[in-house]
Amino acid sequence: EVQLLESGGGLVQPGGSLRLSCAASGFSFSNYAMNWVRQAPGKGLEWVSVITGGGTNTYYADSVKGRFTISRDNSKNTLYLQMNSLRADDTAVYYCAKSMGNSGWYRFDNYWGQGTLVTVSS
Amino acid sequence: QSALTQPPSASGSPGQSVTISCTGTSSDVGGYDYVSWYQQHPGKGPRLMIFDVRKRPSGVPDRFSGSKSGNTASLTVSGLQAEDEADYYCSSYAGSNNLVFGGGTKLTVL
Repeated sequence: EVQLLESGGGLVQPGGSLRLSCAASGFSFSNYAMNWVRQAPGKGLEWVSVITGGGTNTYYADSVKGRFTISRDNSKNTLYLQMNSLRADDTAVYYCAKSMGNSGWYRFDNYWGQGTLVTVSS
Repeated sequence: QSALTQPPSASGSPGQSVTISCTGTSSDVGGYDYVSWYQQHPGKGPRLMIFDVRKRPSGVPDRFSGSKSGNTASLTVSGLQAEDEADYYCSSYAGSNNLVFGGGTKLTVL
């Protein structure tokens, strides 16, 4: 059974940093691209970033480019999101989501984590 | 990249059909057959209902169907049931390694 479990969310001050983790199980982790998607309170979904299976290629939404870094440790079956220079509008539930494959990463599978809440406030 | 445009709300009575639209541009919805639809109940994570415009993952009832015409994609829910009441989001590949979502539609079963 595929499982994705996010952790690392919490309250952080504007300008601060936070690292999210997503522990994956039930599939061959290194064979799939993985994504972060966020949802601000009461708002819609926003794609944040993707990393290919081997970690070679990473892509970001313009809203986080230069501030967030996605990475993965395939030996630990874990996905990460390092978030720096956090702003109030980064406040959201952050989900990790599995792609259907390694190419065509934009085709998401039906496996999402339960989300972890990041609150940026002083 | 702008979000795709969805109506804020839609509604229908049990047993009826309802269609939710998702309008983009030729750079996203109109340019690629990589439109997906997600269902989200309050406090839950998204559930994939449709991918590649019209394909249904296993386990999704055939009451849910997807289509596309030009720059607009649509999700149709036939035979509405109470459990279909949820928020629905579309997404589309937008080229240049970018993915965009719609603003979401709240479906109410009257």
